[in-house]
Amino acid sequence: GNSVTQMEGPVTLSEEAFLTINCTYTATGYPSLFWYVQYPGEGLQLLLKATKADDKGSNKGFEATYRKETTSFHLEKGSVQVSDSAVYFCALRGIQGAQKLVFGQGTRLTINP
Amino acid sequence: GAVVSQHPSRVICKSGTSVKIECRSLDFQATTMFWYRQFPKQSLMLMATSNEGSKATYEQGVEKDKFLINHASLTLSTLTVTSAHPEDSSFYICSARDADRVVGETQYFGPGTRLLVL
Repeated sequence: GNSVTQMEGPVTLSEEAFLTINCTYTATGYPSLFWYVQYPGEGLQLLLKATKADDKGSNKGFEATYRKETTSFHLEKGSVQVSDSAVYFCALRGIQGAQKLVFGQGTRLTINP
Repeated sequence: GAVVSQHPSRVICKSGTSVKIECRSLDFQATTMFWYRQFPKQSLMLMATSNEGSKATYEQGVEKDKFLINHASLTLSTLTVTSAHPEDSSFYICSARDADRVVGETQYFGPGTRLLVL
C-alpha cells in the first residue's frame, strides 16, 4: 500500500538557518504530494503541493520538488523564522481512492531566536 | 479562506459513556468529510470517509459500530465514540472537501478534538 516516511523530529534550529525536512514515499503510479503545517492550537493547513514528477511546490519561502527517481519530496527553506515553528506533515494522495490522504508521522520544528 | 471547526476541542469522559464530536464547515459546503485519528508522535490515520446523505466508508480495522459517523448536512458531520474505553483516548481530526473545488484537490482541516477516557 501507499506510505510516507518523514524525517524524525524534533528539529531545532536557530533563526535564519537553512531547513530541510526529508520525506520519501512508496506508491504505485504517480501520486500527488503535499506538505501540511500545523501551528500550535490550529488545524492542518496546506503549505504546498506537487502533482507530477519534477514539479516544484512553493509557498511562504518553502519549496519541495517532486522527485520520481528518488521517490522523495523534501521540504526546504533557505532562512527560517521563529514563526515557522510548527509540526510539518508530508502526505500523498494516490491515484486510486482519489481523495484519501496518507500522512507521514509529522516533524516538529522549533526555531529559536 | 475556508474554515473547519470542531467541537468540543477537549473532552474527558468516564469509561463506558458515549462522546459525540462535531465537525462543521463554516463558510463552504462539504459533500465529503474525513475523520482521522492521531496518536502521540504518530501520523494521522484515516478512520472513515463520510459523504453527505449516505453511509460512511470505514477504513480496514476501524469498527463502524464503535465509531458512528453521521453526515446529515453539507456543513456538519459527527463522530460518536460509543461505549468509550481508555484505549479510545486520542486526538481526533476532521477534514472537509469543498464541494465547489476541483475534485480531490482541497481538504480543509479542523483543529482537532482531544479525547481522554478515564
